Amino acid sequence: DAKTTQPTSMDCAEGRAANLPCNHSTISGNEYVYWYRQIHSQGPQYIIHGLKNNETNEMASLIITEDRKSSTLILPHATLRDTAVYYCIVRVMNSGYSTLTFGKGTMLLVSP
Amino acid sequence: DTEVTQTPKHLVMGMTNKKSLKCEQHMGHRAMYWYKQKAKKPPELMFVYSYEKLSINESVPSRFSPECPNSSLLNLHLHALQPEDSALYLCASSQTPGQGGNREKLFFGSGTQLSVL
Repeated sequence: DAKTTQPTSMDCAEGRAANLPCNHSTISGNEYVYWYRQIHSQGPQYIIHGLKNNETNEMASLIITEDRKSSTLILPHATLRDTAVYYCIVRVMNSGYSTLTFGKGTMLLVSP
Repeated sequence: DTEVTQTPKHLVMGMTNKKSLKCEQHMGHRAMYWYKQKAKKPPELMFVYSYEKLSINESVPSRFSPECPNSSLLNLHLHALQPEDSALYLCASSQTPGQGGNREKLFFGSGTQLSVL
């Protein structure tokens, strides 16, 4: 099972900031948080990752709380092309192995 | 080159057929992955290869047989599949598994949409 929980769906108006939350309350101290998105019928696309500090790249910003139990992905100016399922991922220990396991994700709908 | 190439893009096969899915990357990555994704569900991990050795098999039925001939190629051999195996099969690669950070950033192909009749 995934170690993350995300809202099932969110709406955002085009041009506004989209803030997507993720809870990962059982994350270990050395585990990264990764964000991916999947546009319909395509492979998932990497967005950003972080460990403790806030991160920013050309696609998005990642805000991680000080206790690392939750994070927020921020798309500063959402466009219609940002409509996708957004996945927040951390490692999961499974029978002695750790793997990157996708949770259910958040369906973000950006509207005109 | 930051691409993971999967072929074919679409595949229709009968339950008695044998087919193979192919995945290729030229980023020098040493970890390669197969994921299966049913409609409206998240991708589910099937196999992980690390340095061309199978390191994780998520209890996948033996009718799915992975193969990693070299560090750039990953195959998934299919035999005697069931209609419920119809799904999008995704290949991914990363620099190395289990290291976190940039080294575990996954690059995905666009997938093979498989239909089993």
